[in-house]
Amino acid sequence: DVKVTQSSRYLVKRTGEKVFLECVQDMDHENMFWYRQDPGLGLRLIYFSYDVKMKEKGDIPEGYSVSREKKERFSLILESASTNQTSMYLCASSWGLADARHEQYFGPGTRLTVT
Amino acid sequence: QKEVEQDPGPLSVPEGAIVSLNCTYSNSAFQYFMWYRQYSRKGPELLMYTYSSGNKEDGRFTAQVDKSSKYISLFIRDSQPSDSATYLCAIYQGGSEKLVFGKGMKLTVNP
Repeated sequence: DVKVTQSSRYLVKRTGEKVFLECVQDMDHENMFWYRQDPGLGLRLIYFSYDVKMKEKGDIPEGYSVSREKKERFSLILESASTNQTSMYLCASSWGLADARHEQYFGPGTRLTVT
Repeated sequence: QKEVEQDPGPLSVPEGAIVSLNCTYSNSAFQYFMWYRQYSRKGPELLMYTYSSGNKEDGRFTAQVDKSSKYISLFIRDSQPSDSATYLCAIYQGGSEKLVFGKGMKLTVNP
């Protein structure tokens, strides 16, 4: 079974703090994604990575950065957390071109609260 | 116009009802159509996948695609309380590994 794990289920941080969200997948997937999910707005793509050290901006990259030093690990960084970054953060991974379905496998999510 | 539109609901039905969930999309280049199911406090999981017009059945679930109308549907027969979840349509258009997601419809099936 594909497993995507996220470092924390719940996180509370203060405004201005630097926040790291970690994601690890165990299936040697090429692609990894970070989304945020908010009521009424659905899933919005923040960043994705299609290879180690490669990244591409999604729809809402402002205020975020990412790091992918190893294939299995993709980190989301909030350089200076703000209250409008309070959200559910979901990590996903996919095979890439090897999978005609382009299915994405999701982690359980991290609910981040910034106070 | 957004690329994928999905009525966010919520939708509440009695056990045993037939449920119809729908999405419309704007880009005729879209190739693959998926439905994800997300239980409360969990990540989404792929439920159904199709790439052509027509119907695809899997047990109580039927995915339907009408490419001429740019309309996709998910039907749930004999709905159960365990079907209570948020259902998201997702579409792959090619050229990138990104999926385009609908906003999700929260379904509650009451016993």
